[in-house]
Amino acid sequence: NAGVTQTPKFRILKIGQSMTLQCAQDMNHNYMYWYRQDPGMGLKLIYYSVGAGITDKGEVPNGYNVSRSTTEDFPLRLELAAPSQTSVYFCASSYEGARNTIYFGEGSWLTVV
Amino acid sequence: KQEVTQIPAALSVPEGENLVLNCSFTDSAIYNLQWFRQDPGKGLTSLLLIQSSQREQTSGRLNASLDKSSGRSTLYIAASQPGDSATYLCAVRMDSSYKLIFGSGTRLLVRP
Repeated sequence: NAGVTQTPKFRILKIGQSMTLQCAQDMNHNYMYWYRQDPGMGLKLIYYSVGAGITDKGEVPNGYNVSRSTTEDFPLRLELAAPSQTSVYFCASSYEGARNTIYFGEGSWLTVV
Repeated sequence: KQEVTQIPAALSVPEGENLVLNCSFTDSAIYNLQWFRQDPGKGLTSLLLIQSSQREQTSGRLNASLDKSSGRSTLYIAASQPGDSATYLCAVRMDSSYKLIFGSGTRLLVRP
């Protein structure tokens, strides 16, 4: 049972480039989330999804896009990368949202230069 | 706006000591509160989840308490071990939202 899998683990982008962070979960969870964590800080929610075909903005959505075409996958798209998007990105999932434990992936380290 | 604060930011204790980590939140209308552990270069692992109707949860050497009225939660670690060294984060989920609001964490070092 792999849990939540994120790729890539590390990436360096140039300003203005675009990329997609991949996230997949094999636990049949309906809820999925993308968070970012800046050094010495807690996590901030970028986008979340309550099921296939449904997504919504979190606290810091600007500069990002998501899609949820299947229950398993929740990719995060960065358009026109900026230095402010240098961060660690975590994908997470949970079943029936609020009442249940949330499971995190191991993170994707992104540097924009 | 909900704000979650964790004090201290860092803590160093000798092995075997019992210790308490603190988490405070400004809006008491929470749905639940979770404590997480984060090892360097890794994701977060959920340790304990306390629903708003509960006062505490226990798992092994860990005990988490919740006092909604005062906006506080504590994570008690008994007989600390070097393997407990990590960053501990608390997060609250509000009634009307599915999002978690995180504190900035307490970095714990247990010295052998």
